[in-house]
Amino acid sequence: TQLLEQSPQFLSIQEGENLTVYCNSSSVFSSLQWYRQEPGEGPVLLVTVVTGGEVKKLKRLTFQFGDARKDSSLHITAAQPGDTGLYLCAGAHSGYSTLTFGKGTMLLVSP
Amino acid sequence: NAGVTQTPKFQVLKTGQSMTLQCAQDMNHNSMYWYRQDPGMGLRLIYYSASEGTTDKGEVPNGYNVSRLNKREFSLRLESAAPSQTSVYFCASSEPRSGGRYGYTFGSGTRLTVV
Repeated sequence: TQLLEQSPQFLSIQEGENLTVYCNSSSVFSSLQWYRQEPGEGPVLLVTVVTGGEVKKLKRLTFQFGDARKDSSLHITAAQPGDTGLYLCAGAHSGYSTLTFGKGTMLLVSP
Repeated sequence: NAGVTQTPKFQVLKTGQSMTLQCAQDMNHNSMYWYRQDPGMGLRLIYYSASEGTTDKGEVPNGYNVSRLNKREFSLRLESAAPSQTSVYFCASSEPRSGGRYGYTFGSGTRLTVV
């Protein structure tokens, strides 16, 4: 059973465009994380959100946790080729539980 | 640099051969994990160790065994490799009670092909 659904699966855009990636679940999470993975490397943590409705910004990236703590979104403004990679969301049901990962969104930003 | 180190980076095995994937972390984390990543399947948890001396099964444990050798090291063993175990394997570490806040630190992966 896929507990975290990510959409879209693939996204190919031009440099300068904006985009939003979604992470949805029917389960409530105590926290949700976003990772970026580049080819040949392991995932690297971008952000953790823990409070319903929370918004965090990391330069051109904006992360939001849904009010009910069941979903999250990642918005990138003015995408750059360096943003290319696999974006993974991951949720924890409690502070002691292991993370459940979504299947990821593969983003390609062309110059 | 502090982090998670995995060896080897690449490996080709014949069906039925055995091997051990090594993982070591130098961040003094208590919890360690083994995931496999396959196209279209995402990251799936094989085994984890919440603390030194404990190990637990994850989502896909069949065909694997693990050993938490000490606080730093967590190894994954394939006793009799099968083509279905062709995958990229990632080791990760974190602090317990904060896996949901401070995230996991991942190694760079072992790319395993079983022919």
